[in-house]
Amino acid sequence: AQSVSQHNHHVILSEAASLELGCNYSYGGTVNLFWYVQYPGQHLQLLLKYFSGDPLVKGIKGFEAEFIKSKFSFNLRKPSVQWSDTAEYFCAVKSGANNLFFGTGTRLTVIP
Amino acid sequence: EAQVTQNPRYLITVTGKKLTVTCSQNMNHEYMSWYRQDPGLGLRQIYYSMNVEVTDKGDVPEGYKVSRKEKRNFPLILESPSPNQTSLYFCASSPYIGGAKNIQYFGAGTRLSVL
Repeated sequence: AQSVSQHNHHVILSEAASLELGCNYSYGGTVNLFWYVQYPGQHLQLLLKYFSGDPLVKGIKGFEAEFIKSKFSFNLRKPSVQWSDTAEYFCAVKSGANNLFFGTGTRLTVIP
Repeated sequence: EAQVTQNPRYLITVTGKKLTVTCSQNMNHEYMSWYRQDPGLGLRQIYYSMNVEVTDKGDVPEGYKVSRKEKRNFPLILESPSPNQTSLYFCASSPYIGGAKNIQYFGAGTRLSVL
C-alpha cells in the first residue's frame, strides 16, 4: 500500500528564515507528487506539482520542491518565509488511478 | 467561476440523527471524492466516484454512504452519526479519469460536530 510521510509535525520559524519540509513516499512505480497548503480556516489549495521532467519544481508564492527519485522524496523549500506563510502543508502522492494519498500534514508557524 | 461547493459549512448534530452533506462541482469533472481531516492524521479518503453511478470505498468508509446520480453532485450521507465522526470534511473533484495531469480541486470544507 502507498504511504506518505511528513516527519515534521510542527515547524516554527522567524520571518526571513529558510524553510524545508520533508516528504517521503512509498511506491515503486510512476508517481505524481503534490504539495497543498491550507491557510487557517480555508480549504486546500495547490501549491505545486510534479508530473515529469525537471525534478525541481517551482510553485506559487516562492515555494519550490525537488523530486529525488532515489530517495522517494519530494521536499518543499522556500528561501525566506513570511508571516503570511503560516499554514498547514500537505504532501500528496497519486499513482495510477485518481486517488490522492496525503501525508499527515506539517503545521508551519512563522513568527514576525 | 469554477468551484466545488459544499453545504453546510458548519453542522452540529446529535448521535443517530441522519444527515447529508452536499457537494456540487460546476467543472464537468468525472472524478469526485470525500475526505475527512483529523488532527495528526492528515486527510483520509472516505469514498470516491469515477463517474455517474460508479462509487467505491476509500480508506475510511465505515459509517458513511455516498451516491452519484448526477455528474455534478456527490452527497455524503451519515445514516446514524456517532461522535467519532466529528471531523472536518472536504469534497474534491478532478477532470480526467486515470489521467496523469489532473489536479484535484477542493471545496471549502464542512465542520461537523456530533454530540
